[in-house]
Parts: sequence; C-alpha cells; structure tokens
Amino acid sequence: QVQLMQSGAAVKKPGSSVKVSCKASGGTFSSYGLHWVRQAPGQGLEWVGGISPVFGIAKYGQVFQGRVTITTDESTGTAYMEVSSLRPEDTAVYYCAREASLPMATVPYQFDAWGQGTLVTVSS
Amino acid sequence: SYVLTQPPSVSVAPGQTASITCGGNNIGSKAVHWYQQKPGQAPVLVVYADRDRPSGIPDRFSGSNSGNTATLTISRVEAGDEADYYCQVWDSGSDYYVFGIGTRVTVI
Repeated sequence: QVQLMQSGAAVKKPGSSVKVSCKASGGTFSSYGLHWVRQAPGQGLEWVGGISPVFGIAKYGQVFQGRVTITTDESTGTAYMEVSSLRPEDTAVYYCAREASLPMATVPYQFDAWGQGTLVTVSS
Repeated sequence: SYVLTQPPSVSVAPGQTASITCGGNNIGSKAVHWYQQKPGQAPVLVVYADRDRPSGIPDRFSGSNSGNTATLTISRVEAGDEADYYCQVWDSGSDYYVFGIGTRVTVI
C-alpha cells in the first residue's frame, strides 16, 4: 500500500517561492499520475496541477499557470511542486495525490492515495 | 470551464440515508469520483467511476450517475460518517480536474 509523505510546513514572504516535496513509500508512482490539490483555510479542494500517465506531461489549473512547476524524480520516488511569486491568498494546505491508472488508459482516473498535506503560510 | 454544483450541507439522523448530489452539464457522460474529508485530515476516496468502491470502504457508500446529476448515497448513516464530501471529474474540454464545492454531512 503506497504512502505519500510530504515535506513540513513553510512560512514565506510575499513574492518569494516555495518548493514542497512528496515521497512515495511502499510503492512508486512511476506508472501512475501525481497531482497537487490546494485547500485554503475553511475552503474546498482546488486542483493545482499534475502529471497524468494519460498525457505524459504536466498540466496546470488555469489559476496556477505560469506560477507553478510540477516535477517528478523517479529515481527517488519523489514529486515536487514549486510555487513562485507567492501571495497571501496562496496560504493553504497543499496535498499531493496519486492518480490511479491502468495500462493503455485513455482518460484520467481517480486520486486513490493522498499525502498528509503541507501548510504553506504566506505573510509579511 | 466545467462547474460542479453541490448542496453546502446535508443533515441526517443516525441509521437513516443521506443523499449528496453533484450537478453538472451532461455529467452522466463523465466518470465521477467522491472523496470524504474529516476535519484536519486528508481526503479519502470513497467511490470512483460513478459507483465502484475502493477496498475497505463499507458497502453503505454507493454512487450513481445519469443525465445532469451524480449522487453519493450513504445508507445506515453512522456518527463517524460526519465529514465533508467532494465530487470530482476530469473535464475533457479543458483537461482540468474539477472538484465540487463540497457538502458537509452532519449527523443529528
């Protein structure tokens, strides 16, 4: 059973960048997708972006395009999300989530495993 | 962009049935997934591809999807089912993964 372990909480100044990591244990995500989902305080879930095996490349939500970069290192089983030009409204818990997949899948699948979440606080 | 509509809250007595709807344009043509999130915890997948359950999820959780509405049904509700529930689809028009706003289920 795969577990996703995320890096610890971070406090950042507006305009700076943050890089959050997500390491898979008990399995890999090399043949799966890996996504990031944001949850602002008291709010719902919002897809930030991710890499689906269906597409093979990173895709980003409209709100995050140009400010977020998602990468994976298959040699260490670790995924990264970097957010630049941070704003106070980026304050949120960021979750990584694995997308289930089957060989020759042509459409994306559900998120079947989640990390514990990383709180990113943006404040001057 | 594709929008999913959920009621903000649903209240249900223990032992009764809770139905949570997720509305979207022709949502019946998409695969709908449902997540449960308890306070301070990460979301957990409870139903995927409209009606399938991951291992370990009780059969009290079931799903359906047709036309413009998908539904998550929780039968024989227990106090431990109190949580926020989110529906999610992949929108082929934009290649975006879309979540509903979430429904808070309160066991009264």
